[in-house]
Amino acid sequence: NAGVTQTPKFQVLKTGQSMTLQCAQDMNHEYMSWYRQDPGMGLRLIHYSVGAGITDQGEVPNGYNVSRSTTEDFPLRLLSAAPSQTSVYFCASSYSGDWGGETQYFGPGTRLLVL
Amino acid sequence: AQKITQTQPGMFVQEKEAVTLDCTYDTSDPSYGLFWYKQPSSGEMIFLIYQGSYDQQNATEGRYSLNFQKARKSANLVISASQLGDSAMYFCAMRGETGDMRFGAGTRLTVKP
Repeated sequence: NAGVTQTPKFQVLKTGQSMTLQCAQDMNHEYMSWYRQDPGMGLRLIHYSVGAGITDQGEVPNGYNVSRSTTEDFPLRLLSAAPSQTSVYFCASSYSGDWGGETQYFGPGTRLLVL
Repeated sequence: AQKITQTQPGMFVQEKEAVTLDCTYDTSDPSYGLFWYKQPSSGEMIFLIYQGSYDQQNATEGRYSLNFQKARKSANLVISASQLGDSAMYFCAMRGETGDMRFGAGTRLTVKP
């Protein structure tokens, strides 16, 4: 298993540009999510999905779109980049086991700089 | 609204000793999940442990255990036999019934040799 993969690792954008951060997992996990982490802070949930075709907003969804057409992929789109979106973005997937617990896996992160 | 509070910005522990990292939460959801994560200086996020709100027993994963006190709304992480490699930021988080998730501000743990 490759786990959770994210591309690109680094990206520099100009204000107003759009782009898509890619996230994929090969573990057949139903729950996937996108977070941003600003310096010195914990993660904040942007969007999440509990399965293919289902997405919902998290704490900070403005300026971002997501879709979940397959179980494997969960891309995050920045519609019109702003300097306030400069951050590190993490994608994660998780599953609930039959023991009642849950396990999560994170991607390596995408460092985004908006000028 | 859900809220997670980690009151210890930084903690120090001697190698081989145990340490407790505090986490309190607030939610009106009857069912929820509690998580702890480790973030080393390299930046990756590592899931450590999960506790469901209806779990009767405290979760354990190797040297990590979650001290879950539901009435007090606390979910403290206990690391036994600390190692130098445990030095990192530690985040507590909670997921409510809708799937929304909130993180605490984190605690920086430093393990002294």
